[in-house]
Amino acid sequence: AQRVTQPEKLLSVFKGAPVELKCNYSYSGSPELFWYVQYSRQRLQLLLRHISRESIKGFTADLNKGETSFHLKKPFAQEEDSAMYYCALLVRGGATNKLIFGTGTLLAVQP
Amino acid sequence: DTGVSQNPRHKITKRGQNVTFRCDPISEHNRLYWYRQTLGQGPEFLTYFQNEAQLEKSRLLSDRFSAERPKGSFSTLEIQRTEQGDSAMYLCASSKGPGSSNTEAFFGQGTRLTVV
Repeated sequence: AQRVTQPEKLLSVFKGAPVELKCNYSYSGSPELFWYVQYSRQRLQLLLRHISRESIKGFTADLNKGETSFHLKKPFAQEEDSAMYYCALLVRGGATNKLIFGTGTLLAVQP
Repeated sequence: DTGVSQNPRHKITKRGQNVTFRCDPISEHNRLYWYRQTLGQGPEFLTYFQNEAQLEKSRLLSDRFSAERPKGSFSTLEIQRTEQGDSAMYLCASSKGPGSSNTEAFFGQGTRLTVV
């Protein structure tokens, strides 16, 4: 079964603290994973994808196939990081091409 | 704004009425997707078009739901005989097609449907 699990609905940290948003996936194929972010009153937008191996706004995420995880990390949280974060798995093959999303984690960065 | 555009942004309808939503994707994108999002959940896949062909439909898409993408440009999602359980945010997304290594999906702002 294809599934993305984000175990935390809410993560509250103080400004300057490290952040780790957890994501685990279940997929029999070769995984392609993304983190999407939704700031207040804005549309869902891509934050980063594992194949790019890039750091966006100080966030990084490493795909760990052994643990089937794609956790999102940032060493020092900023107040402007407060948002809803969704981990997503791209499932494709044949006629299929779709994102499977986790339930999301609300990150609240306190001043 | 040259991103994905959805209309209307909000729709309130009475149970049993039909509603239709429109999505205009990014112009060079030939893949288009519809998702539904309810409170406390992530977006759930409904259906996928490549150009004008509807290639996949989720089991979530009952017979009351129909989506079209004539000419491979804009898309419409129609819900017939709406039920209160249809109340949700309906999201449209688009991405580049086969042959592109860029798999990023760009989302619209969504249409919030409330069935009363």
